[in-house]
Amino acid sequence: ETGVTQSPTHLIKTRGQQVTLRCSSQSGHNTVSWYQQALGQGPQFIFQYYREEENGRGNFPPRFSGLQFPNYSSELNVNALELDDSALYLCASSWGGDQPQHFGDGTRLSIL
Amino acid sequence: AQSVTQLGSHVSVSEGALVLLRCNYSSSVPPYLFWYVQYPNQGLQLLLKYTTGATLVKGINGFEAEFKKSETSFHLTKPSAHMSDAAEYFCAVSPNYGGSQGNLIFGKGTKLSVKP
Repeated sequence: ETGVTQSPTHLIKTRGQQVTLRCSSQSGHNTVSWYQQALGQGPQFIFQYYREEENGRGNFPPRFSGLQFPNYSSELNVNALELDDSALYLCASSWGGDQPQHFGDGTRLSIL
Repeated sequence: AQSVTQLGSHVSVSEGALVLLRCNYSSSVPPYLFWYVQYPNQGLQLLLKYTTGATLVKGINGFEAEFKKSETSFHLTKPSAHMSDAAEYFCAVSPNYGGSQGNLIFGKGTKLSVKP
């Protein structure tokens, strides 16, 4: 069984740039959630996708957007990067319902 | 609104000692409750979960947690700490909307150190 994989593992950008982070779901999972984990904090929910549709969103501005593809992989896009966007971005997949979410190792994004 | 409070950002125990990590939650609906562990430079790994049924939940690596509705608590314990338990631990709550999990709301985490 293939777990959740995220790419890239590390990324450095400058303020104002745009970034795309990618996530491959665990085999058989149809739901993907994205979280932002700032240094020393717990993860914060960004949004969730279920069968290619956004299925819930946390308190993040519209410059955070996402996609889910027919194979259930997903992208997180962030426009107009700000210094506070520096964080570990975690992707988690699940088979909807009451099944637990399985996390990838994250993408470490640094904004200079 | 749901929230999670983890008491103690840093807990230090000796190898072989009891591990107790505290978690209190607030929720207007019956919650699902989780404990995750995060090792340095890695994602989160599920230790255990409570959905319904038995309130004492056993997880991986010898950890267990007890759901106490009257105290709105879900504390994590392990009878005997091992050096490999050193990591950061996160408690999380999720609304139980008709059996659907919804998004996870995490506490700020507790870093566990284990002294030899």
